[in-house]
Amino acid sequence: DQQVKQNSPSLSVQEGRISILNCDYTNSMFDYFLWYKKYPAEGPTFLISISSIKDKNEDGRFTVFLNKSAKHLSLHIVPSQPGDSAVYFCAARPKYIFGTGTRLKVLA
Amino acid sequence: EAGVAQSPRYKIIEKRQSVAFWCNPISGHATLYWYQQILGQGPKLLIQFQNNGVVDDSQLPKDRFSAERLKGVDSTLKIQPAKLEDSAVYLCASTQERNTGELFFGEGSRLTVL
Repeated sequence: DQQVKQNSPSLSVQEGRISILNCDYTNSMFDYFLWYKKYPAEGPTFLISISSIKDKNEDGRFTVFLNKSAKHLSLHIVPSQPGDSAVYFCAARPKYIFGTGTRLKVLA
Repeated sequence: EAGVAQSPRYKIIEKRQSVAFWCNPISGHATLYWYQQILGQGPKLLIQFQNNGVVDDSQLPKDRFSAERLKGVDSTLKIQPAKLEDSAVYLCASTQERNTGELFFGEGSRLTVL
């Protein structure tokens, strides 16, 4: 039973353009959503989060949108940079359940 | 502030052998998590500790996996005997308080079972 789903295993974007990573969830009891970024041979690092009572949170080039009625969240990266190339995971609290990840490749 | 420390970084064993992984969380973090990440999948929670007590071990294969956090600080995850399907990265993470804030992860311990 996959409660947090990332249906796109990979995404390629040109440098300077927008990257949009998507995440769907099934459990209405999740109270917080987090995005993590993972480089090879490193542990995941926290990127940005959003409370379930909000619909948008912004931090520099990163914005997360939450649509509770659709049980959907998305991470927008604008503008995308080659250093953003990594695997991105969404996670849901309180149990910190992770999605399967999306590999983002930003092309120079 | 020192991050989450894990060792060893890499381990190769044969099936049916045993292995142990060690984790030292960020100082003052009461909650500690062990995750298993199989290649191509997201991290899967194995066990959650609050201080030295187990909060959730519902997904821990208890016939072969065990974990302890005796003094409420560092933790050990053991696999005995190992199976081929245990090949994965074992990630340790910690938070200051249970179910709040962000998880801080260590670099992980990569296990290969031959």
